[in-house]
Amino acid sequence: SQTIHQWPATLVQPVGSPLSLECTVEGTSNPNLYWYRQAAGRGLQLLFYSVGIGQISSEVPQNLSASRPQDRQFILSSKKLLLSDSGFYLCAWNLGAGANVLTFGAGSRLTVL
Amino acid sequence: AQSVSQHNHHVILSEAASLELGCNYSYGGTVNLFWYVQYPGQHLQLLLKYFSGDPLVKGIKGFEAEFIKSKFSFNLRKPSVQWSDTAEYFCAVNGHLYGGSQGNLIFGKGTKLSVKP
Repeated sequence: SQTIHQWPATLVQPVGSPLSLECTVEGTSNPNLYWYRQAAGRGLQLLFYSVGIGQISSEVPQNLSASRPQDRQFILSSKKLLLSDSGFYLCAWNLGAGANVLTFGAGSRLTVL
Repeated sequence: AQSVSQHNHHVILSEAASLELGCNYSYGGTVNLFWYVQYPGQHLQLLLKYFSGDPLVKGIKGFEAEFIKSKFSFNLRKPSVQWSDTAEYFCAVNGHLYGGSQGNLIFGKGTKLSVKP
């Protein structure tokens, strides 16, 4: 069966520090991978998606970047965090080019102080 | 651009009350519609989905939703809520718009449901 892992689960970082959140999917090949941010009262905002290794599409311009160094690995990064980067970051995956159900990870809660 | 509106930010009900959470979307083409639920401390998970066919779809735990194309709506319903239904509910739409992955979902802002025992 397929599983999705995110880490770290919780992170507290000072403003200006770097960030790396990791997401891996097991039990499938060539998934579509997504990073969403969930902020209170604002729902889920799609940040990045990837249909393959090295292929990243950005939905919203921001202080963050994403990379996909391996088929089942998706990394969310920042060189210098801002206070506004605080939030709950969710990784998700699905298969195929059609509209398929997204499966979400447990999320990573980032607090920038 | 696509958007999803959920009309209620927070709904408070007593057990056994009926539930209807509103969801409207803006997109004129073919859409796929979803309701996701996030129970306290748990993953976001799929509650139900509509791709085609019968516009009344049934999901887990007694939930159902009706797709009304003319109203651009996909409201979630449950005849009798339980305390365990306390959660945040998200409506989402996937339109056949993006040239890349069509799995992208646009989510509403969510509705918190609190059920009093």
